[in-house]
Amino acid sequence: QSALTQPPSASGSLGQSVTISCTGTSSDVGGYNFVSWYQLYPGKAPKLMIYEVTKRPSGVPDRFSGSKSGNTASLTVSGLQAEDEADYYCNSYAGSDNWEFGGGTKLTVL
Amino acid sequence: QVQLVQSGTEVKKPGASVKVSCKASGYTFTSYYIHWVRQAPGQGLEWMGIINCSGGSTKYAQNFRGRLTMTRDTSTATVYMELISLRSEDTAVYYCARVPKATYAFDIWGQGTLVTVFS
Repeated sequence: QSALTQPPSASGSLGQSVTISCTGTSSDVGGYNFVSWYQLYPGKAPKLMIYEVTKRPSGVPDRFSGSKSGNTASLTVSGLQAEDEADYYCNSYAGSDNWEFGGGTKLTVL
Repeated sequence: QVQLVQSGTEVKKPGASVKVSCKASGYTFTSYYIHWVRQAPGQGLEWMGIINCSGGSTKYAQNFRGRLTMTRDTSTATVYMELISLRSEDTAVYYCARVPKATYAFDIWGQGTLVTVFS
């Protein structure tokens, strides 16, 4: 199983907000501000959506935001759009040149 | 533009080895790390390891130690990932991804290489 725990699924209606959690430990999520989030469409390469917990790369809509509290990081998607339906993965640096992924969350837009 | 281009689909028998390439362009190759990540069918992303494109040092995830080797060729800005003693569970799409030294996030990804281990 994955080192970081994500809910297998999440859903929200068009225009609503949804939050996806990513729970680790003090050795990864809680210990470093190097949490990132990735969006995956089937058959496509992952796309970086959030890095360093809260930062958005150029071109990522501001509907996507990140936060962290203790050992749990969160990705919030506001104003859900149909194209947001995808799989989302969190990742954290875990020290000593190790990185860890969450198990992924399938976001469904109702 | 900045991109990572990987080699093509591979089909291997159990026990064989595979070597996947990842050619970088559009940026200073030695200023970044390259990581390898895989996704087995129906499964999540799995971090495999990292190579420093400047000095060539590597670190592999515990699950792959002894079977995985990453190398780089600075003259061609290419990173290689070799996995030996393949088994059916190694069937996956393998991605290379660039990581800036400051952000620790995978900002540019290759297109992925499907490796199928099939007897």
